[in-house]
Amino acid sequence: EVQLLESGGGLVQPGGSLRLSCAASGFTFSSYDMSWVRQAPGKGLEWVSVISASGASTYYADSVKGRFTVSRDNSENTLYVQMNSLRAEDTAVYYCAPVASGTKFDPWGQGTQVTVSS
Amino acid sequence: QTVVTQEPSFSVSPGGTVTLTCGLSSGSVSTSSYPSWYQQTPGQAPRTLIYSTNTRSSGVPDRFSGSILGNKAALTITGAQADDESDYYCVLYMGSGIRVFGGGTKLTVL
Repeated sequence: EVQLLESGGGLVQPGGSLRLSCAASGFTFSSYDMSWVRQAPGKGLEWVSVISASGASTYYADSVKGRFTVSRDNSENTLYVQMNSLRAEDTAVYYCAPVASGTKFDPWGQGTQVTVSS
Repeated sequence: QTVVTQEPSFSVSPGGTVTLTCGLSSGSVSTSSYPSWYQQTPGQAPRTLIYSTNTRSSGVPDRFSGSILGNKAALTITGAQADDESDYYCVLYMGSGIRVFGGGTKLTVL
């Protein structure tokens, strides 16, 4: 069974940093591009970033570019995102998902809550 | 910056058919946009319905179908049921690694 377990969320002050992790199991992690998608309270889904299967290529939404860094450890089947200079508008549930066929994010984990507030 | 557009809300009668659309503020959606559709109920993670324009994800009933209609991607629900009442999101591939979600459509079945 494919499982994705996000962790590392919590409460952080504006300007602070946080690193999220996504532990994957049940599939060949190293064969898939991986993405982060977030959802602010009461709002829609927002694509955040993607990293290629090898980790060689990364892409970001304009809203996080220069502040977030996505990485992966294929030996540990784990995806990461380092979030710096956090803002109130980064408050959201963060999901990780493998990517296929361009925009197929599947399956989804249950997400981890990030709250940026003083 | 190009925005992905969806109807904010839609209503359908039980047993009826509804078509939700996914467009671009500038330009046309094509199969090269690899449109996908997701269903989400409150408090739950999204569920994949359709990917690559018209491929149903595993376990999705065939009353959900995807297509390109004119210059937009479309999700059609035939024979709507009460538990189809959800938020529906499309996402498009914009090139250069970038994906963008639409703002979502809140579907009411009544």
